[in-house]
Amino acid sequence: QQQVKQSPQSLIVQKGGISIINCAYENTAFDYFPWYQQFPGKGPALLIAIRPDVSEKKEGRFTISFNNSAKQFSLHIMDSQPGDSATYFCAASRETSGSRLAFGEGTQLTVNP
Amino acid sequence: GAGVSQSPSNKVTEKGKDVELRCDPISGHTALYWYRQSLGQGLEFLIYFQGNSAPDKSGLPSDRFSAERTGGSVSTLTIQRTQQEDSAVYLCASSRTRGTEAFFGQGTRLTVV
Repeated sequence: QQQVKQSPQSLIVQKGGISIINCAYENTAFDYFPWYQQFPGKGPALLIAIRPDVSEKKEGRFTISFNNSAKQFSLHIMDSQPGDSATYFCAASRETSGSRLAFGEGTQLTVNP
Repeated sequence: GAGVSQSPSNKVTEKGKDVELRCDPISGHTALYWYRQSLGQGLEFLIYFQGNSAPDKSGLPSDRFSAERTGGSVSTLTIQRTQQEDSAVYLCASSRTRGTEAFFGQGTRLTVV
């Protein structure tokens, strides 16, 4: 059973454009929502994370938007660059009560020069 | 060490042979995960260790797969009687506590010929 659903599976964006990746979850007990970035041949690395007490978190060109009522969260990459080309995974867990991270299926982002 | 260390980085084995993959988590991290990632695919959860609790083995695909974590630190994933469909990158991750940021190793690329 996929606890976190991610879309799209792949995304092609022009340099300077906005990349948007969406995730949805069912378990209302989830309280920690990280995004991971993975380059070919490397393990995933934490990019940015959010908790339900805020609706948006921004770090540089990366922004997470969180909608608790809709049980959705998304990653926006502003001014996308070719160096952003990677696979992105969303995840969720019950940080306060403890659970393992549940990952989405991943989105392969390609930013064309 | 500075990060999660996995060995070997690459392993080629003959069908039917047993293999052992090793993971050295970050010192002090109580949670440890094993994931499998087939080419261009998402992260398939295999097993999760948290402190002294019984491991969550719900992701192991068959009884040919097993894992142990000795002394709450190093973990070994064993695949018996390997099959060609076992070919994948096996990723290990650790986190300070359950449900928090997971740090991934570089993975072990397993090829069964």
